[in-house]
Amino acid sequence: QITLKESGPTLVKPTQTLTLTCHFSGFSLSTDGVGVGWIRQSPEKALEWLALIYWDDDERYNPSLRSRLTITKDTSRNQVGLTMTNMDPMDTATYYCVHGVRRRHCSGGRCYYFDYWGQGTLVTVSS
Amino acid sequence: QSVLTQPPSASGTPGQRVTISCSGSNSNIGSNTVNWYQQLPGSAPKLLIYVNDQRPSGVPDRFSGSKSGTSASLAISGLQSEDEADYYCATWADTLSGPFVFGAGTKVTVL
Repeated sequence: QITLKESGPTLVKPTQTLTLTCHFSGFSLSTDGVGVGWIRQSPEKALEWLALIYWDDDERYNPSLRSRLTITKDTSRNQVGLTMTNMDPMDTATYYCVHGVRRRHCSGGRCYYFDYWGQGTLVTVSS
Repeated sequence: QSVLTQPPSASGTPGQRVTISCSGSNSNIGSNTVNWYQQLPGSAPKLLIYVNDQRPSGVPDRFSGSKSGTSASLAISGLQSEDEADYYCATWADTLSGPFVFGAGTKVTVL
């Protein structure tokens, strides 16, 4: 059974750096065709994909946020981290950790879809 | 402004068939597979359809997906009260660093 759970601060101040951790179980991030990513949802309910780290250490980022994001993985501890710098009130959102899996007969970073989601963690950016 | 266009709302009575459209372009839906997510109130999104028309185990067969050219559709047959939720289409943008993109979502109301 695949589960993911996000942890991190619920409140950050503008200009601060947000650090989130995803603890997962039920799979290994060293398995071919597996990835873990982050997606956020604004209070207005818009979904925005942020980043994805693959089983082979490759990384993919949303170009619109690339300069502010870093995704990391600790395979031995079943954890994936996300840091986002220079937080702004517009970054207030629920942040989800997601399990990615590569679809059959496909190779490349865009062959993945997200089949399991964590419960999400609400991060508010306010002074 | 999302690159994938969905109607903001759709509705139907129990037992009816409801269809939700998702319109894109050659650089997203036209060149990648489409996924659909269901988000019940207060819950995280859940994968409903992947690779255009595949249902994960546990998803009722009254949910079906299709894709044609630069558009995709989600159909709910035999609408039930528990289907009242937000539905999002999603795919990859086909650029070198193309992000995974979502539609703005469609709120389905069961009348």
